[in-house]
Amino acid sequence: GAGVSQTPSNKVTEKGKYVELRCDPISGHTALYWYRQSLGQGPEFLIYFQGTGAADDSGLPNDRFFAVRPEGSVSTLKIQRTERGDSAVYLCASSLTRGGTDTQYFGPGTRLTVL
Amino acid sequence: GENVEQHPSTLSVQEGDSAVIKCTYSDSASNYFPWYKQELGKRPQLIIDIRSNVGEKKDQRIAVTLNKTAKHFSLHITETQPEDSAVYFCAASTSFGNEKLTFGTGTRLTIIP
Repeated sequence: GAGVSQTPSNKVTEKGKYVELRCDPISGHTALYWYRQSLGQGPEFLIYFQGTGAADDSGLPNDRFFAVRPEGSVSTLKIQRTERGDSAVYLCASSLTRGGTDTQYFGPGTRLTVL
Repeated sequence: GENVEQHPSTLSVQEGDSAVIKCTYSDSASNYFPWYKQELGKRPQLIIDIRSNVGEKKDQRIAVTLNKTAKHFSLHITETQPEDSAVYFCAASTSFGNEKLTFGTGTRLTIIP
């Protein structure tokens, strides 16, 4: 079946602008994660949804970052008043959550560049 | 919170030889330890994982060992091939992966033909 997809694949914006990044998880996966990966680093956790609700948003760096998952499937990560330091690859992952060990499957990422 | 350290940051190995990457973690509550392989410009892909109730797991040329007492785990790749060249990340999680993953900083593995 189809894997996790993310759009757009690349986004270039100017400092101060608003951006939205979209994630389509694997069909039927109830858990959805957002991570941010800077060059030469491992992915860094941002937020985790179980269904429609944010189960853990402890990784969001500040209140300019917000994410939603209104119907428990597609999620949107929203960044207000973008700063140059927000430039990174934003990765989304989903997992099935069937009570055992849950593999997180990653999408290809959105490369965000803030000029 | 959890802190995962990974070594070495780069590793070059002759084709056919073995490669070993090591990680340590800080949170004794962590019970799930996946390894992801990431090729340039691509998504991270799970290659093997281990739960805290198991000391070793093997899948063909890849094995992972876990020492809960010392809080460290290692990835072993035997009979390395050029297609093994990539960046490898270790990670740790509580709740057997039903929570956030905390990643190491990655190891760039280069297989020399």
